[in-house]
Amino acid sequence: QLQLQESGPGLVKPSETLSLTCSVSGGSISSSTYYWGWIRQPPGKGLDWIGTFYYGGNTYYNSSLKTRVTISVDTSKNQFSLKLTSVTAADTAVYFCARRSESVGMAFDYWGQGTLVTVSS
Amino acid sequence: SYVLTQPPSVSVAPGQTARISCGGYNIGSKSIHWYQQKPGQAPVLVVYDDSDRPSGIPERISGSNSGDTATLSISRVEAGDEADYYCQVWDSSSAHWVFGGGTKLTVL
Repeated sequence: QLQLQESGPGLVKPSETLSLTCSVSGGSISSSTYYWGWIRQPPGKGLDWIGTFYYGGNTYYNSSLKTRVTISVDTSKNQFSLKLTSVTAADTAVYFCARRSESVGMAFDYWGQGTLVTVSS
Repeated sequence: SYVLTQPPSVSVAPGQTARISCGGYNIGSKSIHWYQQKPGQAPVLVVYDDSDRPSGIPERISGSNSGDTATLSISRVEAGDEADYYCQVWDSSSAHWVFGGGTKLTVL
């Protein structure tokens, strides 16, 4: 059974860089049939897509965050990471990692449990 | 960029049918996906590609998509269906995954 687990600091200071990692078990991140992505949810608000990639292919970023976001992959650890620079209070959210499989079109069929990141001094 | 519009809330009595709409320009030309999210939990995919259900999702949950509106229908609503529901599409013109604002389903 595929599992995704987010990890990283729960508190980040304003203007600093938010760094999170998604560890994947039960499946290979280097399979070209899957996309892997980050989605966030500010407290009490809706889902906000951050970015998605597939191994050996393109990486797509939300244009509203593109200048601050980088998604990278470490196949040796079966992990992928998110870096968001110059954070403000508006970046406070639960951050989810997720997988898209060809079998469900362009939907995300597996999600991590999410991790809350608070931006505050 | 492409925008999806959902009503903030929908209320329905137990045993009735809930219908949650998702509006977007010519949304019928896109494939729409629906997620259920209960408090403190990750979203769960309940419908993909307009009307297909992942394994384990009951047949009471169905979807349709035409024109400028997609609809998620939940028949014989139960207390356990109370949750937030989000629609989502892939917008190929902008290469963005787009989510609707979400609808809170309340079972009266």
